[in-house]
Parts: sequence; structure tokens; C-alpha cells
Amino acid sequence: SQQGEEDPQALSIQEGENATMNCSYKTSINNLQWYRQNSGRGLVHLILIRSNEREKHSGRLRVTLDTSKKSSSLLITASRAADTASYFCATLNSGGYQKVTFGIGTKLQVIP
Amino acid sequence: EAGVAQSPRYKIIEKRQSVAFWCNPISGHATLYWYQQILGQGPKLLIQFQNNGVVDDSQLPKDRFSAERLKGVDSTLKIQPAKLEDSAVYLCASSGLRVYYGYTFGSGTRLTVV
Repeated sequence: SQQGEEDPQALSIQEGENATMNCSYKTSINNLQWYRQNSGRGLVHLILIRSNEREKHSGRLRVTLDTSKKSSSLLITASRAADTASYFCATLNSGGYQKVTFGIGTKLQVIP
Repeated sequence: EAGVAQSPRYKIIEKRQSVAFWCNPISGHATLYWYQQILGQGPKLLIQFQNNGVVDDSQLPKDRFSAERLKGVDSTLKIQPAKLEDSAVYLCASSGLRVYYGYTFGSGTRLTVV
């Protein structure tokens, strides 16, 4: 079963614009991670935010986490054509056996 | 640091045939994962090893899928016999003992069953 649900499932923007993707999840988490997948390739870890953090930055990436709403958002600022990819959120559950569960992903297209 | 190695990169087989995938994780990573990613979906965990022991195989279709991780290093995933619905990308990932810093994924094996 998949824990996270990304929204929107597809997003198309112009180069230079900001892209925002959202992720909702169902159970208590230890951390939430975002991954990027270029077509036909493996997933690349982008950023991790712990359950006691609310916001984190890495270069052009900004991640927020609202544990009360069980949701997270990924903002990519000043998008580039090279950002075209699918983006997945993944949650590490808290307590018991630790397992990372992926969402269904957001497909981002950045138009040059 | 070398990444997670997977082979083959692509495989096309007929239904009812068997197939095997290989993964070599990052050196020193105790935990190894096999994920199945069907087109348009997120990765689904098939099996998780810690060293050479199985931690979670609850979503592995054990009537046709098997996996092993001998000596706690590289791993093979086998499908026998394959079905059309097994067409997917099979991803291997590894991490340290605690998954606090994210996984490192291999490039995956794209399997097409015809």
C-alpha cells in the first residue's frame, strides 16, 4: 500500500516559474523525504525533513511539513528545463518496524 | 563513493519464463531493498534485507518471486514464472542501518513481459 498522495499528479510550468507539489500521508512519521526520478532512471534523494522540523531549504528547494495536517509541500524556485522529472514523497513511519513508503508522484514538466 | 549497481538494465521475456536481477549496494550499507515500480505509480517495497536477514517481505508474491542476499552484500531477485503484470521497473536501494538519511537507488531494471 502507498502512504503518500502527491498533488497535483501532473504539473506544467514555464522555465523560471516556481513549482509547488504537495504530499499528504496517513500515519505518524519519523521523517519525510522527497525524491526525483528522471524518465527511465532510478530515484535521487533530494531532501529530508524530520517530524520535529517545519521547514527546510536546500538550494532552490524548500520543503515544509505540517504534522497536524499530515502534509508536506515541495517548492522548486526559478525552475529550469532540467527540473523536468517525477517527484515522489516518501515517509518513514515512527515506532515499531521502520519502513519507508512512497507516494504516487507528481510529474513536473518545465517548458523552456 | 560508488553507487548502487544493478543489472541488467533492460530485459524482455515471454510470460511463464523466468528472470533474475542483480544488485550490489553501496559498500557498508547494511540494509538493501527491492522495489517494484509499475508505470505511472510510485515504488512499492517487495522485500527488505538487513545484512543477510529478511526484515519485511509482506508484499512479495512468494508463489513466483524470490530474493536472497548471501553474505549480506549483493542480492538477486528472481521471478518464476513471469506474468504480464510483472512488467515494471525493479529498483534496488540501500541505506545504513538507520533510514534517517534517505536511500540511495540504483538505476533499475526495466522488465517487459510479453
